[in-house]
Amino acid sequence: DQQVKQNSPSLSVQEGRISILNCDYTNSMFDYFLWYKKYPAEGPTFLISISSIKDKNEDGRFTVFLNKSAKHLSLHIVPSQPGDSAVYFCAAIETLSGYALNFGKGTSLLVTP
Amino acid sequence: NAGVTQTPKFQVLKTGQSMTLQCAQDMNHNSMYWYRQDPGMGLRLIYYSASEGTTDKGEVPNGYNVSRLNKREFSLRLESAAPSQTSVYFCASIRGGGSNQPQHFGDGTRLSIL
Repeated sequence: DQQVKQNSPSLSVQEGRISILNCDYTNSMFDYFLWYKKYPAEGPTFLISISSIKDKNEDGRFTVFLNKSAKHLSLHIVPSQPGDSAVYFCAAIETLSGYALNFGKGTSLLVTP
Repeated sequence: NAGVTQTPKFQVLKTGQSMTLQCAQDMNHNSMYWYRQDPGMGLRLIYYSASEGTTDKGEVPNGYNVSRLNKREFSLRLESAAPSQTSVYFCASIRGGGSNQPQHFGDGTRLSIL
C-alpha cells in the first residue's frame, strides 16, 4: 500500500509563475520528508527536505511546506523556469526505525516559456 | 567527484539469462540501496545494505540477490531474468549514522528482458 501519494501525475506552468507540487502521506510516524528532482536518463537529485519539527523550509526559489495534521506537504517553486521541467518525487521516512525512503509516484512538471 | 557510478547504463537480456548490475560510490558512505523504477511508479526498494557486511530485503526482493563486496561496492544480481524485471535500476547511498539524510543516486541502468 502506497504510503506516500502524489495524486497529480503532471503539471504545466508558465515561466515566471508559481509551481505548486503536492504530496500526501498516510504514515503518521514519518518525520523527515524530501523532494527529489529527476531529469530523463539521469538519477534523482536531492532538492530540499524538511523535518517534522518544522512547517516550512526555504532554499532559494524552492520552499517546502509541511502540514502534519493534514499529513500533507507541498513544494513551491517561485519563479518557475524552463529548466525546472522534470519529474519531482516526494519521499518520506521514519528516522527512528526506517531504513529507506518511501517514494511517491512522481509529478511531471512542464514549465513553458 | 564521481559520486555513485552504475554499470552498465543499458543492457538487453533474454529470458533466463543472468546478469550482475554494478554500483560503486566514492563518498565513503556506509549505507547503499538498490531501487527499481517502473513507468508510472515511484522508486521501489529491492535490497539495501546498512553497512559493510550486512544486507536486507526491501519491498520487492524476489528474483534478485545482492552482494556488498566492500564499503564502496554493492552489486545486484538477476539469476534468471524475467520480462517482469524490465525496469530502470537505481543505486543510492547515504553516509549513515542516521536516517535524516538525503540519498545520493546513480544515473541508473536501463534493463530490458525479452
